[in-house]
Amino acid sequence: AQTVTQSQPEMSVQEAETVTLSCTYDTSENNYYLFWYKQPPSRQMILVIRQEAYKQQNATENRFSVNFQKAAKSFSLKISDSQLGDTAMYFCARNFGNEKLTFGTGTRLTIIP
Amino acid sequence: DSGVTQTPKHLITATGQRVTLRCSPRSGDLSVYWYQQSLDQGLQFLIQYYNGEERAKGNILERFSAQQFPDLHSELNLSSLELGDSALYFCASSTPISGGYEQYFGPGTRLTVT
Repeated sequence: AQTVTQSQPEMSVQEAETVTLSCTYDTSENNYYLFWYKQPPSRQMILVIRQEAYKQQNATENRFSVNFQKAAKSFSLKISDSQLGDTAMYFCARNFGNEKLTFGTGTRLTIIP
Repeated sequence: DSGVTQTPKHLITATGQRVTLRCSPRSGDLSVYWYQQSLDQGLQFLIQYYNGEERAKGNILERFSAQQFPDLHSELNLSSLELGDSALYFCASSTPISGGYEQYFGPGTRLTVT
């Protein structure tokens, strides 16, 4: 089975600190897309960042960046200068283009004031 | 606001009943996906439509069906409801115009079966 694994069920960090969420995946394909989604208490699914597997450069969106290691099949999310509004469930996901997303089980992140 | 709308936001119904969930994708998006999020199963893909045609099926029960209409909105029909169908149902849409395949999610419909 081609799976997405998030090994950290819960994490907490002090406000303004940096935190890294881990994600690994299993695939035999060469072309695919990776995503991090945020689900705050409102339960809305919000796209945080995306990475195309064919791109070597790591994606960055403001305080959010990824460390994409294709050979290791690893896709971690780094949140810098964490804010209270970053408290949420974070899901790692993958697809192969115009197809379904396969999600990890999520990491519950709590930012402590 | 993702641009994807879903109605209703909340639905409470009894076992054995039938409900219809509605989704309007972002303007211009041709693909619509339905996902189910329950407490013990995480986010599971149910079905995908692309420009009115069924494209892929996931873990969708035979009691569930969906369709996408010419105006691209989609409906998910759930029948003979059971307690275990209580979940948050998301619709997402995408289009590969920009070269990316990110999916944008609606706010979800919370279904409670009593």
